[in-house]
Amino acid sequence: DVKVTQSSRYLVKRTGEKVFLECVQDMDHENMFWYRQDPGLGLRLIYFSYDVKMKEKGDIPEGYSVSREKKERFSLILESASTNQTSMYLCASSLGQGESPLHFGNGTRLTVT
Amino acid sequence: EDQVTQSPEALRLQEGESSSLNCSYTVSGLRGLFWYRQDPGKGPEFLFTLYSAGEEKEKERLKATLTKKESFLHITAPKPEDSATYLCAVGGDSNYQLIWGAGTKLIIKP
Repeated sequence: DVKVTQSSRYLVKRTGEKVFLECVQDMDHENMFWYRQDPGLGLRLIYFSYDVKMKEKGDIPEGYSVSREKKERFSLILESASTNQTSMYLCASSLGQGESPLHFGNGTRLTVT
Repeated sequence: EDQVTQSPEALRLQEGESSSLNCSYTVSGLRGLFWYRQDPGKGPEFLFTLYSAGEEKEKERLKATLTKKESFLHITAPKPEDSATYLCAVGGDSNYQLIWGAGTKLIIKP
């Protein structure tokens, strides 16, 4: 089974802090994704990556950046955390072919105070 | 504009009481419709992919069907362990990435 591991389940940060969310997958998947999930809204894509050192903006990239230095690791960075970035963050990976299903981590619940 | 709407927002059933969840979509050139299950405190877990109208897929008590406008997730004789939020997502030609519905929270009472 594919395993996607997010380094933290819960994080509490202060406004203005730089925040790093880490994600590692163990199945050599080409594609990796960062979503945020808020009540009453569908998952919203922040950034995704098709390959090492490659990144593409999703629907809501403002205030975020990403890093993919190795194939198995995809990091989400909040440059200066704000209270409206309080949310559940989900990392996912998939094979690079066709409509491959996404494999998700268990999420990081981030609270910015 | 591509759009996905799930209904109802929440559904409470007695154990054994069959029902259906709906996913209505508007997309230009359907590439695939996906169903996921999400348990509290966990990430979504893949259930099915449907590609064309008329297609059906089954897994245990779940059966997913697809028309040109909507998909149904039928649940037959549900058990309490089927309680979860069910998410629908659609991929279309105009947007490489998936469009997600807000989900249906299903609660099965023993």
